[in-house]
Amino acid sequence: AQKITQTQPGMFVQEKEAVTLDCTYDTSDQSYGLFWYKQPSSGEMIFLIYQGSYDEQNATEGRYSLNFQKARKSANLVISASQLGDSAMYFCAMRGGTSYGKLTFGQGTILTVHP
Amino acid sequence: DAGITQSPRHKVTETGTPVTLRCHQTENHRYMYWYRQDPGHGLRLIHYSYGVKDTDKGEVSDGYSVSRSKTEDFLLTLESATSSQTSVYFCAISESMQNYGYTFGSGTRLTVV
Repeated sequence: AQKITQTQPGMFVQEKEAVTLDCTYDTSDQSYGLFWYKQPSSGEMIFLIYQGSYDEQNATEGRYSLNFQKARKSANLVISASQLGDSAMYFCAMRGGTSYGKLTFGQGTILTVHP
Repeated sequence: DAGITQSPRHKVTETGTPVTLRCHQTENHRYMYWYRQDPGHGLRLIHYSYGVKDTDKGEVSDGYSVSRSKTEDFLLTLESATSSQTSVYFCAISESMQNYGYTFGSGTRLTVV
């Protein structure tokens, strides 16, 4: 079974500063994928970034980077230069290697960006 | 054009009534999933499908059933709705087990009174 833990129910950041959202995971699979999704107040799920378990380099997508520490089983999302539009719920999720593509989600972190 | 649509977008129903939510895709993806979203729990998997007529239970399947008679449609049925099934329901699709391209529907907000 897979488990995702997001220990920060809410986070606050000043505009233009960087913020790190924490995510730890647990799995017995050797091959797995880690995801971050953004859910704004409008409710849609927006894919941000993906990291495969065998990827040696941390994934980056524009202002988003995933700090992947395999030995510690952590997959933190780093948002650089925060913008007001980054205010949203953020979910970390995992897909196991033999799980029909099922995603396991964390509880989510609400990020609020202050001007 | 959205590759995945959910209907209805909002529904209010009474306890004990049956309810069916529909997920329709135009991407011809093999894998389809139903999740529910509740505060403090993130999204939890209800049921999933890995092909026509091939479905299986997820983490929170009690009180729900699904059917997939054709590739494009995945139906979620609450046989007898309860207040604990008040939630936001998301459908998602994926082309393969190993890719990272999931597409989510816009969600259905269901209220059971």
